[in-house]
Amino acid sequence: DAKTTQPPSMDCAEGRAANLPCNHSTISGNEYVYWYRQIHSQGPQYIIHGLKNNETNEMASLIITEDRKSSTLILPHATLRDTAVYYCIVRVARLGNEKLTFGTGTRLTIIP
Amino acid sequence: GAVVSQHPSWVICKSGTSVKIECRSLDFQATTMFWYRQFPKQSLMLMATSNEGSKATYEQGVEKDKFLINHASLTLSTLTVTSAHPEDSSFYICSARGQGNWGYTFGSGTRLTVV
Repeated sequence: DAKTTQPPSMDCAEGRAANLPCNHSTISGNEYVYWYRQIHSQGPQYIIHGLKNNETNEMASLIITEDRKSSTLILPHATLRDTAVYYCIVRVARLGNEKLTFGTGTRLTIIP
Repeated sequence: GAVVSQHPSWVICKSGTSVKIECRSLDFQATTMFWYRQFPKQSLMLMATSNEGSKATYEQGVEKDKFLINHASLTLSTLTVTSAHPEDSSFYICSARGQGNWGYTFGSGTRLTVV
């Protein structure tokens, strides 16, 4: 299973763009990259996912490198409510063995 | 959007008793459901995967006789912690995926405290 590596913590000033990196150098060609975040004592919230192309939605943008070995989640205008643990996940999707395996994540703190 | 309801949100039980946690998909049929456990300051650890009408597949190290999972319908999965002990105290979270849909929706979690 492809593993992910994220910095344990990051700070970002309120109103600025938060850029969260993720390394997934062992990713396979048919594995997607998912991003979730978890605010204290709640279930994870879906943010975005992608395969090889960059993706954007109302919450964030996902930039995946051409070799797919790393990606960056961008929160364009961070607010205090974006303080959370952000998880970058590679989704294993083999027949009979589908699952989302969480790594240690990045604790993002938005500074007023 | 897809909503997963998890109940109860918290429960306290005595050591040796059993506790059932429910996970319901409210507006979609959940072909596959996942159960996770999260200890304080740690990440989510997958316990088991269940497909509707089939036996659950447990991750290595998770006791299937202690953590009973039932996925009898396309909208409901239950996790029963049998003969709970204080070391089972944790945050339990379910997740569901609809048929033909690669999106995963998580419940709000259940905080179990065994005293």
